[in-house]
Amino acid sequence: DAGVIQSPRHEVTEMGQEVTLRCKPISGHNSLFWYRQTMMRGLELLIYFNNNVPIDDSGMPEDRFSAKMPNASFSTLKIQPSEPRDSAVYFCASSFVDVTDTQYFGPGTRLTVL
Amino acid sequence: AQTVTQSQPEMSVQEAETVTLSCTYDTSESNYYLFWYKQPPSRQMILVIRQEAYKQQNATENRFSVNFQKAAKSFSLKISDSQLGDTAMYFCAFIMEYGNKLVFGAGTILRVKS
Repeated sequence: DAGVIQSPRHEVTEMGQEVTLRCKPISGHNSLFWYRQTMMRGLELLIYFNNNVPIDDSGMPEDRFSAKMPNASFSTLKIQPSEPRDSAVYFCASSFVDVTDTQYFGPGTRLTVL
Repeated sequence: AQTVTQSQPEMSVQEAETVTLSCTYDTSESNYYLFWYKQPPSRQMILVIRQEAYKQQNATENRFSVNFQKAAKSFSLKISDSQLGDTAMYFCAFIMEYGNKLVFGAGTILRVKS
């Protein structure tokens, strides 16, 4: 079975540009999570979807960040405009039922904003 | 707020030996879930083991086992017969039964030496 798929694996962009990260959860999983990992703050949950509906977006840092899940097999995390402090590894994860189920992580996207 | 503490920033162990990574957490809830994740240099987050708080028996997965002490709020990970491939950052994580966020510790870097 394919795991969680994320693209791109690496993204380098310049400050002010729009960045879109993509995620395909494991087939049949009903919950999807976006995390950000930095040295300073560790792993932080940005947003959690259940059955394509955002349940908790309290971790989204500011209005520059937005996430969508138009269907059960695809989600995007968009940063517009990007800033150097957004540089981090962004992970997508999915679980079968909800947030208390085991979460399976994708390989991550390393974002560098110059 | 729930917190997870991993007091050992770095550890090392000789190949084939046993090592224990510590984790403590803070909660007033009685039902919750605990996890250990491994993040090797490839940065992929990989589930190592999961424990339900209502289960008395310690979870085991091959060479990995936990020592779950509910009263002490302790959840340590024991790795037996350490292998070079066990070299990674290990994260302890916690979520309440009706929580909406998986809370991660800061991580412990484990180096297995040949």
